Amino acid sequence: ETGVTQTPRHLVMGMTNKKSLKCEQHLGHNAMYWYKQSAKKPLELMFVYNFKEQTENNSVPSRFSPECPNSSHLFLHLHTLQPEDSALYLCASSPLTNRQQQFFGPGTRLTVL
Amino acid sequence: RKEVEQDPGPFNVPEGATVAFNCTYSNSASQSFFWYRQDCRKEPKLLMSVYSSGNEDGRFTAQLNRASQYISLLIRDSKLSDSATYLCVVSGGSSGGYQKVTFGIGTKLQVIP
Repeated sequence: ETGVTQTPRHLVMGMTNKKSLKCEQHLGHNAMYWYKQSAKKPLELMFVYNFKEQTENNSVPSRFSPECPNSSHLFLHLHTLQPEDSALYLCASSPLTNRQQQFFGPGTRLTVL
Repeated sequence: RKEVEQDPGPFNVPEGATVAFNCTYSNSASQSFFWYRQDCRKEPKLLMSVYSSGNEDGRFTAQLNRASQYISLLIRDSKLSDSATYLCVVSGGSSGGYQKVTFGIGTKLQVIP
């Protein structure tokens, strides 16, 4: 059983909707990540949080807004998305000093109509 | 040149065959290397680390060639359950004060009965 959970697992939304993705890790890690995975593309790192402080934002459009209230929870708030934002959104966590060994959640498959 | 390059495949091999994948990386200062496995519609999971001297885990052998900047994964006696996408992961350099981790696009393996 994964130590990283994500909800919802599937989400369909219109371009004018506002929704949030939730991630929770039970591994005691201090680093959490949001990735986007689209067909025929490598995993794209979106945001990184270390000790609930954002340390990386890889030129992600402002329609994606992350929030990390504590080291165990991570949210991705979505608003006015575009159809090309449809993808699998993966959350991951790792020890702060071992970022190579990331544990992923099952992902949220997002479809924007 | 991409930071991490992989042949996306698919590689279609019969059960029992031996198959090998390569992954090239562009940053000669890269320090750590890993293979992740991602099953269809599932999240990536760490398969094995890649050590300088090469390492083996059952039917899986990982090798590193620093001179030519590539890593490889060899699977012997392929099983149907080995069907998945294999992601190459390279760590090194700095991003936001922490080690940068880059995922390849993955190589899809389909083992055929």
